[in-house]
Amino acid sequence: AQKVTQAQTEISVVEKEDVTLDCVYETRDTTYYLFWYKQPPSGELVFLIRRNSFDEQNEISGRYSWNFQKSTSSFNFTITASQVVDSAVYFCALSEAGGNEKLTFGTGTRLTIIP
Amino acid sequence: DAGVTQSPTHLIKTRGQQVTLRCSPKSGHDTVSWYQQALGQGPQFIFQYYEEEERQRGNFPDRFSGHQFPNYSSELNVNALLLGDSALYLCASSGHRGYTEAFFGQGTRLTVV
Repeated sequence: AQKVTQAQTEISVVEKEDVTLDCVYETRDTTYYLFWYKQPPSGELVFLIRRNSFDEQNEISGRYSWNFQKSTSSFNFTITASQVVDSAVYFCALSEAGGNEKLTFGTGTRLTIIP
Repeated sequence: DAGVTQSPTHLIKTRGQQVTLRCSPKSGHDTVSWYQQALGQGPQFIFQYYEEEERQRGNFPDRFSGHQFPNYSSELNVNALLLGDSALYLCASSGHRGYTEAFFGQGTRLTVV
């Protein structure tokens, strides 16, 4: 069975600080996909990144970066120089095979950026 | 280009009643998935529809059923509502060929009283 654990329930940081959101996953599949989604107060889930199990290269997109380590089954997300607009709930998710199948989500981390 | 649209946005029902939620997928998408998100939790997969057939199902009772129409839109039906069915119901659409990112709607907030 697949499982995603986000141990940090809530995080608060002052604007411009860096913050890392942790994600640990469990799966028996050798091929799988990892995702991060952002959920603002409006409710919809906004896609941030998809990473397949064969690609352990770290990725950077502007102020966002992701660190994928298969050895520790972790897929952590770092926001550099945080901004108030980054305040939201962030979900890590796991999918098998092609990634169009069902997503297994963690319980989310509520991030609050204090101005 | 409209994204995923869901209706209604909010709904209040009485325990034991039945409810129907609706979803129109993003243009070009033919696969629709439904998720239930209880307060303070991550979304839980209910089922996925493709070509008007249920393709995958999560661990939800038969009270939860769905339908997909020829235009790819979808409905989620819940019978014999329980207080525990109160949640945000999210619809996601995607394509079925290769990988296409799943786009989520803003959800329907269902409250059962």
